[in-house]
Parts: sequence; structure tokens; C-alpha cells
Amino acid sequence: KAGVTQTPRYLIKTRGQQVTLSCSPISGHRSVSWYQQTPGQGLQFLFEYFSETQRNKGNFPGRFSGRQFSNSRSEMNVSTLELGDSALYLCASSLGTGLAVGDTQYFGPGTRLTVL
Amino acid sequence: AQSVTQPDIHITVSEGASLELRCNYSYGATPYLFWYVQSPGQGLQLLLKYFSGDTLVQGIKGFEAEFKRSQSSFNLRKPSVHWSDAAEYFCAVGAWVSGGYNKLIFGAGTRLAVHP
Repeated sequence: KAGVTQTPRYLIKTRGQQVTLSCSPISGHRSVSWYQQTPGQGLQFLFEYFSETQRNKGNFPGRFSGRQFSNSRSEMNVSTLELGDSALYLCASSLGTGLAVGDTQYFGPGTRLTVL
Repeated sequence: AQSVTQPDIHITVSEGASLELRCNYSYGATPYLFWYVQSPGQGLQLLLKYFSGDTLVQGIKGFEAEFKRSQSSFNLRKPSVHWSDAAEYFCAVGAWVSGGYNKLIFGAGTRLAVHP
């Protein structure tokens, strides 16, 4: 079974621009979560989508948004980029049934975003 | 609030030596605990997880972890380290959020170096 794929793997943008990152989950998985990883803040939860609906959201500004399509693929968008948005953005997929019943998040390779 | 602490930022061991990476969590209810490993430029790979039952869990690559509720710990161990184990290791707790699913809260990570 193919793993989680993320495109593109690397991106360079300038301040003020916007960017869209894509994530394709493992076949059969209906939940996609996004995390931001930076040296200073570590791994932080951005949001989670399940069945095309945002189910959970982390503590990030409204410039960070996402969506999920009917095939469970997900995109996240960052508008008006700031230097501090430079990070590795990781996508994780899972069945979406909840950790209490043994669900597990599987991560993609990430998209490295550099903002100049 | 839920949190995860990995007290050791960097650890260096010799190849063939035993390894123990520490993880302490703060969570009021039954924790769902995970260890992930990240190689440079890569995403996170699941090593093992604990949901319930036997407090000693086995994972991939010869790793194991022991859940100790009294100490709020979930330390990762390996009896004999290989050079290929050099990577960054993250402990995470699944935190219940409203909406039914859970998000992962990560520790800051422990970077492991292996000397030949």
C-alpha cells in the first residue's frame, strides 16, 4: 500500500505571497492532519480534516487554512507569507476513528517551505 | 494542559551500546503514547505505540518502550544501537479534543548520534 505523499517537496516563496501544499493520504484513510515543524517551536498541530470537514484546529492565525476533497486528498494554504512561516509542513493520514480505538497517524515526507 | 517532555536534547552513544531515551507526559486521562523517528530531511516514521494492556510494547527496528503510569513516563529502549539509528526521536501523546478525534502533542525531540 502506498504511503502518504506530499507535493511539492520543496518550495521557495517571498514574503506576502501565498502557497498551497498538497497531501494524498494512504488509500482508505479518511482523516488528514497537518503539522508545522520548526527548530524553535518543534512540531505543532495545525488542523485535521475528516470527510471534507475541519474537525480540529490548532492555535494558528487565519492565514493558515485547508480543505479536503471527496477522495480524502487535502490541501493547506498559507496566505500573506511571513518569514516565520518557513518550516517543514507535515501531513499525516489515519482512518479517523480516533486514538481510543487504536487509530494511528502515518506521516508523509513533508514539504519544506522557505520564505525569503 | 497536555504536554510531553523529552529531557535530553542530544544523546551520543557508541555503536553496540544500549540506549534509553526518556519521555515524560502530562495528561489527565488514559494516555495514548507514541514514539516516532525522523531521519534528516524525512517525515516521521512510527516506531511503536501504547494504547492499553501490556505496559511493555515492542516496535520496529528492535525498539521497545515501557509505560509507567506512576512515573508518567514512556521511555524508549534498544539493547544494541546500530549506526543507522542516528536520527531524531519524538515522543508524542494523543490528546483528546472535542469533535471525536485526537491530536498528537509532541515532545521537543532527542537527537541521537552514534559513534562507530
